[in-house]
Amino acid sequence: AQTVTQSQPEMSVQEAETVTLSCTYDTSESDYYLFWYKQPPSRQMILVIRQEAYKQQNATENRFSVNFQKAAKSFSLKISDSQLGDAAMYFCAYRAGTYKYIFGTGTRLKVLA
Amino acid sequence: GAVVSQHPSRVICKSGTSVKIECRSLDFQATTMFWYRQFPKQSLMLMATSNEGSKATYEQGVEKDKFLINHASLTLSTLTVTSAHPEDSSFYICSARDLQGETQYFGPGTRLLVL
Repeated sequence: AQTVTQSQPEMSVQEAETVTLSCTYDTSESDYYLFWYKQPPSRQMILVIRQEAYKQQNATENRFSVNFQKAAKSFSLKISDSQLGDAAMYFCAYRAGTYKYIFGTGTRLKVLA
Repeated sequence: GAVVSQHPSRVICKSGTSVKIECRSLDFQATTMFWYRQFPKQSLMLMATSNEGSKATYEQGVEKDKFLINHASLTLSTLTVTSAHPEDSSFYICSARDLQGETQYFGPGTRLLVL
């Protein structure tokens, strides 16, 4: 069965600094997608970044980038130049052929002014 | 971008009553919609997957007679919590996948409180 693990319940970062959130997953599939979603206090889930497993190039969206290591089944999120608005819960998610997501337990990110 | 709405945003009801939550995709057609439940400080738990025009597929442990799902059109899915009890109090979130997409777009959620 597929699983997603986020081993960091909480992380802190100083404003303008860089932070990396970890995510590992387990699957026997070769074709799948990985996502990072942000859930601020409003609880609206917001897509941060997406990675297709067949792509070797790491996805990047402005200040957000991933380090996708397929062999190691690792999918970490790097946030550069952290801003106060980045404070939220971050969920890593895996999706294979059924279109269902499997979510990790989340990492709460605090941004210190 | 793809927008998904939910209504109501919060609802308080008495134990034993039924509550309906609507999920709409506003600017795209949603082949598949998903319903999640989220307890405080926890992750999202998938309850069911609904496809337009067919019966919903429920996850193990989710009572299909208690959580009725209807996906009547490509833009609307409803979740009805029947005979609600205090333990059904939670945050319910829907998401939708468009016809081509690999990504789910989430609604803003509905907070249900059963007294």
